[in-house]
Amino acid sequence: AQSVSQHNHHVILSEAASLELGCNYSYGGTVNLFWYVQYPGQHLQLLLKYFSGDPLVKGIKGFEAEFIKSKFSFNLRKPSVQWSDTAEYFCATLADRDDKIIFGKGTRLHILP
Amino acid sequence: GAGVSQTPSNKVTEKGKYVELRCDPISGHTALYWYRQSLGQGPEFLIYFQGTGAADDSGLPNDRFFAVRPEGSVSTLKIQRTERGDSAVYLCASSLIRADPDTQYFGPGTRLTVL
Repeated sequence: AQSVSQHNHHVILSEAASLELGCNYSYGGTVNLFWYVQYPGQHLQLLLKYFSGDPLVKGIKGFEAEFIKSKFSFNLRKPSVQWSDTAEYFCATLADRDDKIIFGKGTRLHILP
Repeated sequence: GAGVSQTPSNKVTEKGKYVELRCDPISGHTALYWYRQSLGQGPEFLIYFQGTGAADDSGLPNDRFFAVRPEGSVSTLKIQRTERGDSAVYLCASSLIRADPDTQYFGPGTRLTVL
């Protein structure tokens, strides 16, 4: 079955540090990859997505992710984090042949002011 | 309202009781999804509606779980004979186009606690 795995469950950084959150996916045919974010007390929202084309995807709030097919990876990056980036981040994929979104277990990011 | 709403926001019940969780999707959205997020896990798919019909219910864990969407808008997730393991946040999402995740809008969730 398709799956995504996130390497880190909890990350703590200081403001202005660079961020990279790992995500690996299992191949299921068509590649549809996403990063979602859930800020404290808020709804889950889409940060960015990759369906095809340029493997470097830019999302909202300065985030980007790179699809590396040879590594089955879709890591999320941000060059300089802010305290407001404190949230939980989920890597996800769309299950091939049907409509389910398959989420990773999430990474809790805590930014120290 | 503009977004997906879910009621109640919190529900505490006793083991063995019946509960109903409600989802109001964005007006005009034909696709509606239910997910369950247990502590320390990402959301897991439960069921998907296209209009009034359940197009995919393969994520429902057992026959104690049932969901309806009789008029193609509001959906209710029903759990019979609740168990402690059912404690989780139940998320609802809706979209205009089937299986187009960039238009899947999530609600705030209902936190269910089974004592």
